Amino acid sequence: ETGVTQSPTHLIKTRGQQVTLRCSSQSGHNTVSWYQQALGQGPQFIFQYYREEENGRGNFPPRFSGLQFPNYSSELNVNALELDDSALYLCASSPQGGNTGELFFGEGSRLTVL
Amino acid sequence: RKEVEQDPGPFNVPEGATVAFNCTYSNSASQSFFWYRQDCRKEPKLLMSVYSSGNEDGRFTAQLNRASQYISLLIRDSKLSDSATYLCVVSPSGSARQLTFGSGTQLTVLP
Repeated sequence: ETGVTQSPTHLIKTRGQQVTLRCSSQSGHNTVSWYQQALGQGPQFIFQYYREEENGRGNFPPRFSGLQFPNYSSELNVNALELDDSALYLCASSPQGGNTGELFFGEGSRLTVL
Repeated sequence: RKEVEQDPGPFNVPEGATVAFNCTYSNSASQSFFWYRQDCRKEPKLLMSVYSSGNEDGRFTAQLNRASQYISLLIRDSKLSDSATYLCVVSPSGSARQLTFGSGTQLTVLP
């Protein structure tokens, strides 16, 4: 069984640029969530995708957007990067509807904005 | 006020010690409760769900007090491998739609 994989693992961008992060969900999981984890903090919910539709969104501005593809993989796009966007971005997948409450996280993409 | 508050620690305890972590949450509509564990520079992983009646998994015991909006985790007979950050997590529904994480409590078990 393949777990959640994310790419890239590390990247450096400058303020104002755009970034796309990618995630492949665990086999059999059709729900994908994205979380932002700043240093020393717990993960913060960005949004969730289920059946290619956004299925819940946290308190993040519209410059954070996403997609889910028919194979359940997902992308997180962040436009007009700000210094505070520097964080670990975690993708998590869960079985249908995520009813068990367990999320399976990837190892994350560590973004540094200079 | 944060939605989920935890003592950040760090907790430094000797092997074999018993250690307890506490957590409070502000949203009284929260329905599901969990403890996740995050090793240094790794992803969070589910440690255990927390049920109203309290539940135990080996050396780990979780308690929930809905009236006080308080969650606890007790670790008995600490092992070196228990060293990690423990994240208290709540959800407003029965699903994983939107988990709200605390900032975590760092535990180091010393030989």
